[in-house]
Amino acid sequence: QITLKESGPTLVKPTQTLTLTCALSGFSLSTRGAGVGWIRQPPGKALEWLALIFWNDSERYSPSLKRRVTITKDTSKNRVVLSMTNMDPVDTATYYCAHRLGDDDAGGAFDIWGQGAMVTVSS
Amino acid sequence: QSVLTQPPSVSGAPGQRITISCTGSYSNIGTHFDVHWYQQLPGTTPKYLISGNSNRPSGVPDRFSGFKSGTSGFLAITGLQPEDEADYYCQCYDVSLSAWLFGGGTKLTVL
Repeated sequence: QITLKESGPTLVKPTQTLTLTCALSGFSLSTRGAGVGWIRQPPGKALEWLALIFWNDSERYSPSLKRRVTITKDTSKNRVVLSMTNMDPVDTATYYCAHRLGDDDAGGAFDIWGQGAMVTVSS
Repeated sequence: QSVLTQPPSVSGAPGQRITISCTGSYSNIGTHFDVHWYQQLPGTTPKYLISGNSNRPSGVPDRFSGFKSGTSGFLAITGLQPEDEADYYCQCYDVSLSAWLFGGGTKLTVL
């Protein structure tokens, strides 16, 4: 059974860097085709895809956020880390990590989601 | 403003059939990549609902179906039930942006 669980700070100050960890269970990111993405949702607003990392270390980023976001993986610890710099109150959102269903490095759905981590940006 | 456009809201009576549209372009829905749909019940995590025409994870009833025409995708729900009241999001891969795009979401109200 595949599960994902986000962890990290619930409150960050403006201009700080946010670091979130996604713990993976039930699959390995070293398996061909495996991918994990990050998606966020501001309160009352729509889902927004942020970044995705594949089994082969290939990374993809949202064009609007690529200057601020970095995604990395630690296969030995079976986890994925998202970093977002220069946080602003508009970045207040629930941040989800999700398993990407697919067998290559493009396309696919997010079939299993973590519970989400609510992050508030405020001084 | 989302690249994939959905109506903000749709409504229907119990038992009816409704469709939710998702309009994109030739670099996303107009390609060979599937349109995927998610259901988000109030206060819960998004749930993967369906891909393409009928690729549903186990547990999703066959009242839910999807189809695509040109640069638009559609989610159809037949035999509408009160528990279907939720937000629905479409998602597709964009080959020009190399990005996974979500629509702005549609709130379904069961009258």
